[in-house]
Amino acid sequence: EAGVAQSPRYKIIEKRQSVAFWCNPISGHATLYWYQQILGQGPKLLIQFQNNGVVDDSQLPKDRFSAERLKGVDSTLKIQPAKLEDSAVYLCASSFDRVLQYFGPGTRLLVL
Amino acid sequence: KQEVTQIPAALSVPEGENLVLNCSFTDSAIYNLQWFRQDPGKGLTSLLLIQSSQREQTSGRLNASLDKSSGRSTLYIAASQPGDSATYLCVCATTDSWGKLQFGAGTQVVVTP
Repeated sequence: EAGVAQSPRYKIIEKRQSVAFWCNPISGHATLYWYQQILGQGPKLLIQFQNNGVVDDSQLPKDRFSAERLKGVDSTLKIQPAKLEDSAVYLCASSFDRVLQYFGPGTRLLVL
Repeated sequence: KQEVTQIPAALSVPEGENLVLNCSFTDSAIYNLQWFRQDPGKGLTSLLLIQSSQREQTSGRLNASLDKSSGRSTLYIAASQPGDSATYLCVCATTDSWGKLQFGAGTQVVVTP
């Protein structure tokens, strides 16, 4: 069974630029999560999808972050414009039963 | 709001020693508690999952205990090996139907040969 795929693996941008991350969950997993992990901290949930609907986006900075999962399969997370404090690892996870989450390798973002 | 704290933040031990990683949480109303391993540049891997009704789980050299009344969990790794070097995250799942996870900041472990 293929795992959660994420791309790109690394991204370096300047502040005020925009960036997009892509995630392809495990086949058949209806629930998809995006997390932000700042260095030295645990992951923080940004947004949770159930199929193509948003379940929880309470910690998503909506003035600059957006995410979509239009067909209920893969998802994109966008930051526009980026700030220095957005430097982090962005993790995508998926779940079949909302009990076990399977994580992708993450995208490491550096904002200069 | 659930707060998950892990002590120590970092730990270095010689190969062969037993590892003891501590986790505390503020809200005992958890659905389950997991210990994850995180390697640099890789995703998180679930090591052990303890259901709310359980007291411990074991897998090979790993043993995790759960004491909901005191809000504590401990991960034991017996006879540590250099391959155990990683960051270990303690994670509590909420009791709501969406399975929201609350992560600790992790304990970074280095096992020296």
